[in-house]
Parts: sequence; structure tokens; C-alpha cells
Amino acid sequence: AQSVTQLDSQVPVFEEAPVELRCNYSSSVSVYLFWYVQYPNQGLQLLLKYLSGSTLVKGINGFEAEFNKSQTSFHLRKPSVHISDTAEYFCAAGRAAGNKLTFGGGTRVLVKP
Amino acid sequence: GAGVSQSPSNKVTEKGKDVELRCDPISGHTALYWYRQSLGQGLEFLIYFQGNSAPDKSGLPSDRFSAERTGGSVSTLTIQRTQQEDSAVYLCASSSGLAGGTQYFGPGTRLTVL
Repeated sequence: AQSVTQLDSQVPVFEEAPVELRCNYSSSVSVYLFWYVQYPNQGLQLLLKYLSGSTLVKGINGFEAEFNKSQTSFHLRKPSVHISDTAEYFCAAGRAAGNKLTFGGGTRVLVKP
Repeated sequence: GAGVSQSPSNKVTEKGKDVELRCDPISGHTALYWYRQSLGQGLEFLIYFQGNSAPDKSGLPSDRFSAERTGGSVSTLTIQRTQQEDSAVYLCASSSGLAGGTQYFGPGTRLTVL
């Protein structure tokens, strides 16, 4: 069984400041890792994913994440946030081809002017 | 191209009634998933279809929940004898079915059971 933990349920941050959203996973097998974003009243949109190879993954909208196998983490970062980054962010893990995703509890980011 | 679509966008029903939720996946995607998003439980996997294989039903919370996928495309999630705890947003996603393939989500159906 696998589980995903997002350590912060809410993260307030000022505009143009950096943000880091923490995600830890546990799994007895290799996993694929994803970050999704959900804007208010919208569906989930993929930000980035890690399958293999380089541990630093770059995604859309200036986000990046680093896979750390020894710490079983996949933290998401953005060096300078905008008001439009206000949303809920979900970390997820999957295993074999096309398999189901296990989601973390989500982190709500509120960007303040 | 067109994304994943779901209907209805909102459904209000009375306790004890049956409901059907529909999902149209992205054309050509062989894998289809249903998830549920609720305040108390977060995002939970419900069921997964891959091609002609038997579906993975391991996430269905009770035997009141069932789903089918006709012709390898459209899927319907049926909830019988709805309960108030079934109130949630039901999300459908589809993917190519390849390893690590991105799951593309629909906008969801918000179900409210009175």
C-alpha cells in the first residue's frame, strides 16, 4: 500500500515571495509522482510529474519539484508567486502502467498582495 | 482537442434515490478513472477501467456504487439508494494507459443528497 502526506494544509504567502509545498510518500515499490493544481471551482490540472531520470522536474507556470528518494519526498517550489497561483495543490503517487493515483490531503495556497 | 467532459455538473437528489453520473473521456484514451472529492475524505480513488480488462473496483465504498464503461468509451457511475454521506464532487479522469501517463480530469459532478 502507498500513502501520500502533504504536511501543510494551508500556506499563506505574499505576492512575489517564494513558496514550497511539502509532500512525502511511502511505498514499498517504485512510484511515479505528480503535482496537480485545482483552481477555485475548476477540475484538476497537471503541474508536473516525475517518472524517472533527473530528480529536478520543471513544470508549467514556473513550478518545479525535486524527487528525493532517500527522504521519500517530492516537494514543490516556485521562486516568485503571483496572485493567480491562489489554488489548492495536490501531490499524488501512482505505480504501474495507468494505475490509480493516491492523493495527499491537499495544500491550500493563498497569495496575498 | 476536447477534454474530459462530465454530466450533469450539479445534481441534487433526495436520500434513497438512485443517481447516474456520466463521463466522456478523451478520444483514444484507454484508461478511465473515477475519484471522489469530499471535505472529510479528500480525493479518493473509486474505480479504474483499462481497455477490455476487468475493472479495478477496489475503491468503491459500498455495493451501492457501481460503474460501467460501454464500448471502451463513455462511463456511467451509478449510486443506488443515495445517502447523505455520498454528497461529494465526483471526478472522472482518462489517460493513455501507458506507464506514468498523465491523467486528465474532467470538471466533476457535484452531488448533493438531501
